[in-house]
Amino acid sequence: GENVEQHPSTLSVQEGDSAVIKCTYSDSASNYFPWYKQELGKRPQLIIDIRSNVGEKKDQRIAVTLNKTAKHFSLHITETQPEDSAVYFCAAVTGGGNKLTFGTGTQLKVEL
Amino acid sequence: NAGVTQTPKFQVLKTGQSMTLQCAQDMNHEYMSWYRQDPGMGLRLIHYSVGAGITDQGEVPNGYNVSRSTTEDFPLRLLSAAPSQTSVYFCASRSPGGETQYFGPGTRLLVL
Repeated sequence: GENVEQHPSTLSVQEGDSAVIKCTYSDSASNYFPWYKQELGKRPQLIIDIRSNVGEKKDQRIAVTLNKTAKHFSLHITETQPEDSAVYFCAAVTGGGNKLTFGTGTQLKVEL
Repeated sequence: NAGVTQTPKFQVLKTGQSMTLQCAQDMNHEYMSWYRQDPGMGLRLIHYSVGAGITDQGEVPNGYNVSRSTTEDFPLRLLSAAPSQTSVYFCASRSPGGETQYFGPGTRLLVL
């Protein structure tokens, strides 16, 4: 089955700096890669996603890049703010869209 | 629309007891799924369903049963609870032809 590895497990940045979270996947059949943000005690919420036929996608301060050859994808957050502090999960979708495999999460802390 | 709802929010069980975690959605989504979230391990797929009457196993199905008699409901049953099933359980659904999964608020389960 699919295996998704995520790094780093914790990340601390100063407000206004950029943050980068990296993931790798194992199944070349994976074709959709969502990123979720989870605040403490809350449900995971989708923040951005990318399909396998696209190399980069941007939404305001958030961007995701995908390298299919290397099976890498990354989340980039620019101009970080305290409200960006949360756990971020990458994921990969296989099985015709039926199986979502998550990374182990990155605890992002944005310090004032 | 209420979206994806889950009950109860919190439950304490004794080892060997049985219970059903309820999940419902009012978005007419055909695909529904159950995940468990444990510290440091991200979310792992337990079971999923692509429509009424159809269910399949995910990554960690042992100890859990599911059924899908209606489009709206997808209950998760623990027949004989074990301490290893202490976790936070999330239900999710996805629209037909869509890729984004929407999560419910979660059920926190403690098995003593």
